[in-house]
Amino acid sequence: DAGVTQSPTHLIKTRGQQVTLRCSPKSGHDTVSWYQQALGQGPQFIFQYYEEEERQRGNFPDRFSGHQFPNYSSELNVNALLLGDSALYLCASSLTGDNEQFFGPGTRLTVL
Amino acid sequence: QKEVEQDPGPLSVPEGAIVSLNCTYSNSAFQYFMWYRQYSRKGPELLMYTYSSGNKEDGRFTAQVDKSSKYISLFIRDSQPSDSATYLCATSLSGYNKLIFGAGTRLAVHP
Repeated sequence: DAGVTQSPTHLIKTRGQQVTLRCSPKSGHDTVSWYQQALGQGPQFIFQYYEEEERQRGNFPDRFSGHQFPNYSSELNVNALLLGDSALYLCASSLTGDNEQFFGPGTRLTVL
Repeated sequence: QKEVEQDPGPLSVPEGAIVSLNCTYSNSAFQYFMWYRQYSRKGPELLMYTYSSGNKEDGRFTAQVDKSSKYISLFIRDSQPSDSATYLCATSLSGYNKLIFGAGTRLAVHP
């Protein structure tokens, strides 16, 4: 049974560019949450998707957007990249109503 | 004030020691409490998941929640070098709510 998978593993972009990160949830899970983890910090909640809709959103600007597909996989898009967007981006999946969230390995984004 | 406070360490202990990791939180409405282990450059791995106050044990790991003092703890018995990682506490309000994390405590267990 595959766990949460994310792609790509690493990504290097320059300021002003746009990036798309992808996530496939654990089998049987229908809810996907995205987190940003800066170096030396705990993960910060970006948003959560359920039934292809954004259900909750953290304190992140509109440059951060997402999508969930009918197969429950999800994308995170970041526009107009800033140096401060450099971080590990984590996807977590869960079954709605169950707070056990399982994380993927993350995508490490470096913005130059 | 952060919603969840956690001492970043680092904490260094000899193999076989009992490790105590702690967090405090500010919102008394938090109901769910979790501990994650994160190895360097990897995603967090769920270790313990508890609801409300009380203790939960799983092998060498014991999670403890004291809602009256807003204090959560993780105890690791007979610590091993393979336990060397960053330990993240997390909490949430309800069953589908966002997780709020502490900053993580770096633990090093030396042979």
